[in-house]
Amino acid sequence: GAVVSQHPSRVICKSGTSVKIECRSLDFQATTMFWYRQFPKQSLMLMATSNEGSKATYEQGVEKDKFLINHASLTLSTLTVTSAHPEDSSFYICSARQGANTEAFFGQGTRLTVV
Amino acid sequence: GQSLEQPSEVTAVEGAIVQINCTYQTSGFYGLSWYQQHDGGAPTFLSYNGLDGLEETGRFSSFLSRSDSYGYLLLQELQMKDSASYFCAVRTGANNLFFGTGTRLTVIP
Repeated sequence: GAVVSQHPSRVICKSGTSVKIECRSLDFQATTMFWYRQFPKQSLMLMATSNEGSKATYEQGVEKDKFLINHASLTLSTLTVTSAHPEDSSFYICSARQGANTEAFFGQGTRLTVV
Repeated sequence: GQSLEQPSEVTAVEGAIVQINCTYQTSGFYGLSWYQQHDGGAPTFLSYNGLDGLEETGRFSSFLSRSDSYGYLLLQELQMKDSASYFCAVRTGANNLFFGTGTRLTVIP
């Protein structure tokens, strides 16, 4: 299957700082990338959908000013958690697909801990 | 709204067969996918059903009944490494994938 790389795998940051997470499709061009958040022992909750070259579409209840998403190229999307707080601590996972109606492949996830 | 229901936990013996059910209520439906996730890891794709019926991939099979809004994942010849969480996910549009609550499978010797 296709490879999606997410970086960093773990990050610890101080409350009030910002953290950037990168998601790269390594062997295909991803027209669409998705960002999920997963709390312990819970399901993956879709945060936003980003299409290359356009603004991300955020799910209801997700603050677009807090979770900044940029999809500047067909192989890279970034999620920036701005002014992070302890309640933002979670497992963030990206996925990417090559085109509509194709399977999505997941990155390895980023464990964010805000102290 | 969207909802996908799965059992929260299942325990089965090594070598046995286990079935994980998924019922869904979504505003759109393109197909049902299944993902496996080990603790601390990312989900990995297992199977996809776009049409009614059974799809078989090695030890794993997945079934869909669109009229019943129901599907299941069948795992045969269970191995210890199969202990993980399993999620059903509905593709509600060309780009949207909505995940179920997840089933934690524990395989015991």
